[in-house]
Amino acid sequence: DGGITQSPKYLFRKEGQNVTLSCEQNLNHDAMYWYRQDPGQGLRLIYYSQIVNDFQKGDIAEGYSVSREKKESFPLTVTSAQKNPTAFYLCASSAGQGGGIQYFGAGTRLSVL
Amino acid sequence: GQQVMQIPQYQHVQEGEDFTTYCNSSTTLSNIQWYKQRPGGHPVFLIQLVKSGEVKKQKRLTFQFGEAKKNSSLHITATQTTDVGTYFCAGTSGTYKYIFGTGTRLKVLA
Repeated sequence: DGGITQSPKYLFRKEGQNVTLSCEQNLNHDAMYWYRQDPGQGLRLIYYSQIVNDFQKGDIAEGYSVSREKKESFPLTVTSAQKNPTAFYLCASSAGQGGGIQYFGAGTRLSVL
Repeated sequence: GQQVMQIPQYQHVQEGEDFTTYCNSSTTLSNIQWYKQRPGGHPVFLIQLVKSGEVKKQKRLTFQFGEAKKNSSLHITATQTTDVGTYFCAGTSGTYKYIFGTGTRLKVLA
């Protein structure tokens, strides 16, 4: 069964804590993305990666970090420097040389305790 | 930087009425995509437009890409309750980076 798997579905962060959101894909896609969605708003790009061991900052990268050690995995860490982390986080992947269809995971809802 | 604006932000329609959402980019796009996100769900790809002036139809949905490749529209004919959700456009200038519009939230009243 191909697709993108995000875990956990719900996550709670204590103040000062770093948390990591998992994103795994078995679509053999080169590109992977992390977006943040706030209630009633659109998607804002946090980080994206075109190939293994390479990634670029999106529009709201401050307070977040990523790694791309494997083609199928693109974990996102929400650091303590992100002062307003409560949001819906979506991971996506796409194939091709830019402009490909994006396939999204089911998302992770992060809340602060 | 590149911006993609979408209007309206919200739209409530009676079932059976038509619906249109518009997407405008500050820069020329190589292609534009449309996604639908159901309440509580994740965005799902609907269609991609590549050519200037392109028009594509999917049953009751009609998608259009402007001649200058800076704007696009999605029109739904005779809305149904299953059309409820938020519709996003996403544009790219040929790179891996997408810019999403702010979305139009559609509510259909039965």
